Order: sequence, then structure tokens, then C-alpha cells
Amino acid sequence: QKEVEQNSGPLSVPEGAIASLNCTYSDRGSQSFFWYRQYSGKSPELIMFIYSNGDKEDGRFTAQLNKASQYVSLLIRDSQPSDSATYLCATFYTGRRALTFGSGTRLQVQP
Amino acid sequence: EPEVTQTPSHQVTQMGQEVILRCVPISNHLYFYWYRQILGQKVEFLVSFYNNEISEKSEIFDDQFSVERPDGSNFTLKIRSTKLEDSAMYFCASSVQGATDTQYFGPGTRLTVL
Repeated sequence: QKEVEQNSGPLSVPEGAIASLNCTYSDRGSQSFFWYRQYSGKSPELIMFIYSNGDKEDGRFTAQLNKASQYVSLLIRDSQPSDSATYLCATFYTGRRALTFGSGTRLQVQP
Repeated sequence: EPEVTQTPSHQVTQMGQEVILRCVPISNHLYFYWYRQILGQKVEFLVSFYNNEISEKSEIFDDQFSVERPDGSNFTLKIRSTKLEDSAMYFCASSVQGATDTQYFGPGTRLTVL
């Protein structure tokens, strides 16, 4: 069974701090990785995607990918209370068009 | 900015009834998907659709489910005889290409089966 694993949290950080969210995956053939944000009762909203090893930055968000370790992370700088949500990691397993999601990490940013 | 839309936002039905959930994907997207999320659980893939046929489906997508693109804009999910365990949020998504392209999600339909 191919899985995407995330710590369910909650991860609690003070406002202005860096939040670090982690994800591991089991399929070495996975090529593309996505971070979605999901507010309670709402749909997943795309934050970032990353295909290549290394870092990718977009505003306050940085995605990091290490294919050798099968590890993806999302850093949120200058965390705001509005960042409080569940962050979902997702990938396409080899040969599939369906996204496989992790269970998500709940982030709480304390004002 | 174009977005995926879904109707209704909330559907309440009696067990055994048929429901149809509707989606309008982003207009230049060619691949369409249905996912569901039972309360407190992971987002799970149901089915993908391209060129007017199913391209992939999960083990959840059994004979009680069907999908259709009845016209140039709508994409529907039908559940023939709803069960209590079908209660979930159902999300439609679309992407320009298939394979590993980014999928954009609609706001979801909350289905409650009584």
C-alpha cells in the first residue's frame, strides 16, 4: 500500500515564527509533490508544487524536496493566524493520475 | 481567476435514494476528477475522466457510482442508491493535462445520508 505520511499535529507556533511541516512518501517513482491548505469544512487549496530536488520559494512559503530520503517539507515564514489550517501533502504515485493525499498536519498559529 | 464550481453545496438525502452531484470544471481543462473526504479522514480519489470516458477509478468507485459529462461544461457524479457511509464531502477537481499536472479543486458538496 503506497502511503503519504504526515504528522497529524497540531503544530502550534507563535505569530511571526517559522512553521515547518513534513511529509514522507513510499513510492520512489513519485515525481511531483503538492502542498494544499484546507480550512475546516472547505476544499483543498493549492499552496505550492515541487518537482525537483532542493528548495522552491513562493512568498512566505518554501517547499523542500529530497527524493533520496523520500521527504518533502513546507516552511511557512512569518506565520500568521490566518495560516491556521490543515496542510495536506499529496503526490502522484507511479503510473497514476490520482493524487494520493496524506492525512494532513493541523497548524495553529497563536497570536 | 477561473475556478471549479460545484452544486449543490449541501445535499441531504434518505438512504437508498439517488443523488447527482454537479461540477463545472475550469473551461480549458481536459481532465476531471472526483474525490471524497469522510469527516476527519483523508481526501480519497474516486475517479478520473478524460475524453468522455473513465481513465482511472479507485476501489471505492463501485457499481453504485457513475460519472458523466452530459454537455460541454458539466461533469456529474451519480450515486445510485446511497448508503449511510456515503456521507462525506465530495470534491470535483480539474487539470489542464493529466499525468502529473496540478489539480484545482472545487468548493465541494457536503452529502448527508440519513
